Amino acid sequence: GESVGLHLPTLSVQEGDNSIINCAYSNSASDYFIWYKQESGKGPQFIIDIRSNMDKRQGQRVTVLLNKTVKHLSLQIAATQPGDSAVYFCAEEPSGYSGGGADGLTFGKGTHLIIQP
Amino acid sequence: DGGITQSPKYLFRKEGQNVTLSCEQNLNHDAMYWYRQDPGQGLRLIYYSQIVNDFQKGDIAEGYSVSREKKESFPLTVTSAQKNPTAFYLCASSSGWGQETQYFGPGTRLLVL
Repeated sequence: GESVGLHLPTLSVQEGDNSIINCAYSNSASDYFIWYKQESGKGPQFIIDIRSNMDKRQGQRVTVLLNKTVKHLSLQIAATQPGDSAVYFCAEEPSGYSGGGADGLTFGKGTHLIIQP
Repeated sequence: DGGITQSPKYLFRKEGQNVTLSCEQNLNHDAMYWYRQDPGQGLRLIYYSQIVNDFQKGDIAEGYSVSREKKESFPLTVTSAQKNPTAFYLCASSSGWGQETQYFGPGTRLLVL
């Protein structure tokens, strides 16, 4: 899951297995969440988002689960492929954000997903 | 990269020099953002702009400046006052402001000679 340390946590999975990447968020006022994928040397790529009125949302091969009670977000990737190897970030945004100041999206440090052949 | 371009891909800065990073989007998005990414760290917000001719400081604006004269363009200048400029710089845009998905460009890596 996400870490406050200097080193990215790493998740190593076998090709074809399912991957679960976790994210703990701290702001109980957050009600919009996004998962991004970032390949080495590239910009983050949007994967999926979810709002707090939902606890699950599915995309193509990905599912995001939101547990507001324990402030936990997870990204599940089905049948992991070599192209899924990347750093995955969660981002959160509180409700009622009006843009006045440096609020808005807050990004976690990311989890490095490594695919074993 | 979703219609957002950044140039150059790599940029070298000499001591005391100002350098400008380009960000252009053709998505007709109102809001644009600049982030800095350091190794093993999350993205930190430098500046953001909700609309043309308006911009606001983010969490780490010191040593940086921006302009937003056109909707599609949001250049970032790294000034000589920024003492630790080596980082990966990411530009993003969103259609509106507040709980809107931000889409990112490919990034510019700035290195100090």
